[in-house]
Amino acid sequence: KNQVEQSPQSLIILEGKNCTLQCNYTVSPFSNLRWYKQDTGRGPVSLTIMTFSENTKSNGRYTATLDADTKQSSLHITASQLSDSASYICVVTSNQAGTALIFGKGTTLSVSS
Amino acid sequence: SAVISQKPSRDICQRGTSLTIQCQVDSQVTMMFWYRQQPGQSLTLIATANQGSEATYESGFVIDKFPISRPNLTFSTLTVSNLSPEDSSIYLCSVEVAWERPNTDTQYFGPGTRLTVL
Repeated sequence: KNQVEQSPQSLIILEGKNCTLQCNYTVSPFSNLRWYKQDTGRGPVSLTIMTFSENTKSNGRYTATLDADTKQSSLHITASQLSDSASYICVVTSNQAGTALIFGKGTTLSVSS
Repeated sequence: SAVISQKPSRDICQRGTSLTIQCQVDSQVTMMFWYRQQPGQSLTLIATANQGSEATYESGFVIDKFPISRPNLTFSTLTVSNLSPEDSSIYLCSVEVAWERPNTDTQYFGPGTRLTVL
């Protein structure tokens, strides 16, 4: 069964600290993996997208990694800011029977001052 | 990228009524998607709407409850019919933009419509 599991479910960190969010998936066949940031009351916004051959992708203070062998991805946030408080969703795309997006439940990050 | 707007941004409706949500995209797209996000949950795909054909519904969602229109390549509506409190959710429309690099098609989401049913 295609699944995307994220951990932790929620996280609280102090402003300026780093943090890493995890995503494990059992999706096959794999097409790509995306990380989205969803602010409260808003739609998700794409942060990164990685294909099978990519190990790391950066977008400002966000760095995503992908290990296609172990089917794991991480999103590292450097020097966190209050505006980083949001839900971070890992989404894996499968090309089986058309294009299907499998969503993780997200990690809720709270950055406090 | 694609800029997506939705109307209304939020609404409070009475049980048994219906709400129609509009989705407008700033460019022509072939496929538009409608998602539901229940409180504390991730996104669930309701249906895929292609211009000129009937929408394709996911398991658990039916046309009588969630009729969709797709009159042109930049616009779609989702109606949530015969509302009950269980329909209280955020409803999001989304489009997929194809890029030249293989396997990097990206979905862009609208801001969502927050529906509360009393």
